[in-house]
This record gives sequence, C-alpha cells and structure tokens, in this order.
Amino acid sequence: GDSVTQMEGPVTLSEEAFLTINCTYTATGYPSLFWYVQYPGEGLQLLLKATKADDKGSNKGFEATYRKETTSFHLEKGSVQVSDSAVYFCALSLNTGGFKTIFGAGTRLFVKA
Amino acid sequence: EAQVTQNPRYLITVTGKKLTVTCSQNMNHEYMSWYRQDPGLGLRQIYYSMNVEVTDKGDVPEGYKVSRKEKRNFPLILESPSPNQTSLYFCASSPRLGQGNSPLHFGNGTRLTVT
Repeated sequence: GDSVTQMEGPVTLSEEAFLTINCTYTATGYPSLFWYVQYPGEGLQLLLKATKADDKGSNKGFEATYRKETTSFHLEKGSVQVSDSAVYFCALSLNTGGFKTIFGAGTRLFVKA
Repeated sequence: EAQVTQNPRYLITVTGKKLTVTCSQNMNHEYMSWYRQDPGLGLRQIYYSMNVEVTDKGDVPEGYKVSRKEKRNFPLILESPSPNQTSLYFCASSPRLGQGNSPLHFGNGTRLTVT
C-alpha cells in the first residue's frame, strides 16, 4: 500500500549545522509531496510542497526536491537555527477519486545554541 | 484570521462517557478531516468529509463518529471512549475538492486522556 518512511529521530544539531531529514515514499500513481512542521503545542503547518517530479519546494531556507527515480523527498537546510527545533513530517497526497494524505512518523529536531 | 479551531484543547474523561470534540473552520473549505497522532505512528486519518453531508472512513475509524451538517463544522464524537483512544487529535481542512496538491490547514490539537 501507499506509505511514507522518514528517518527516525531525534536529530540533535548545533546551530548553523547542515540539516538533512530523509524521506522516501511508496505510492501508486503520481502523488504530491509535502513537508509539514509542528512546533511545540501547535498543529502542523505546511513548510513546503512539490507536485511533480523534479520540482523543488522551498521555504524559510528549507528545500526538498521531488525525486521520482528514487521515490524520495529529502528535507535540507544549510544552516539551522534554535528556532527550527520542531517535529517534521513528510507526507504524500493522492488524488484518487477522493483526497487522502499519508504521513510519515515524524522526525524530532533539536537545535542547540 | 483564517483558522481551524478545535475545542477543547485538553480533555480528561472516564471510560464509557460520551464526548464530542468540536472543529470549526472559517475559510469556506470543502474538505475536512480528523487525525490522531500517536508516538512513532505519525498521523492516522480517522474520518474525512468531502462536503456537507458527505463523510467517509479513514484508516482508523473504529470507536468514532462524525457529522457534517454545515460546511464550517466537523465534530468528532466518541460514543463510548476507551483508554486506547487516549491520543492527540487534530482537525484539518483543505480548500479543494479532490485536489491532491492542496495542503491541509490544521487546528492546534486536542489532547484526550481516557482513564
């Protein structure tokens, strides 16, 4: 079935370090791909998205490229800040006569000053 | 301000006592959905609604009910809560019917504890 797998956390980095959070997916058809971020005590909010192969989504210094050949959508940021500490969810969305979003398990990121 | 509002934020109840978690959105979205978030499992869909009076089961619907009598409201009902329904619940909405690339807008969550 359709699924999303992302790297387990927590990930702990020092401020200004490079961040990669891996995400791979399995889906029938051509899904849209998303990264959502959840700050403590809040709901998820969209960080970035890509709707077709080779698209790059970007926002707030974060980037991810839709790689159809490797079924991946890895999240990267060149220099993390303490304020980036949160839980990050990779997700795919299928338009198969309805509307279904499938989430990964989430990766918690801690950034130390 | 465009938002999805859930109430209550925190709820502690006992096994078998019926409860309702409310969800309301002010963005005129057609699509609404309920998820539960559990450690290590990410978000799992409970029920969703494509429009008024149209609802369908998600991946984990057992023990839950929903209704969509108005476009803006999508309450989640637990007729007889059990401890395995202790979780963090999120309501979400999206503007486009059947459009897979529309992102979800989430409420701030309801933390439910069933003893």
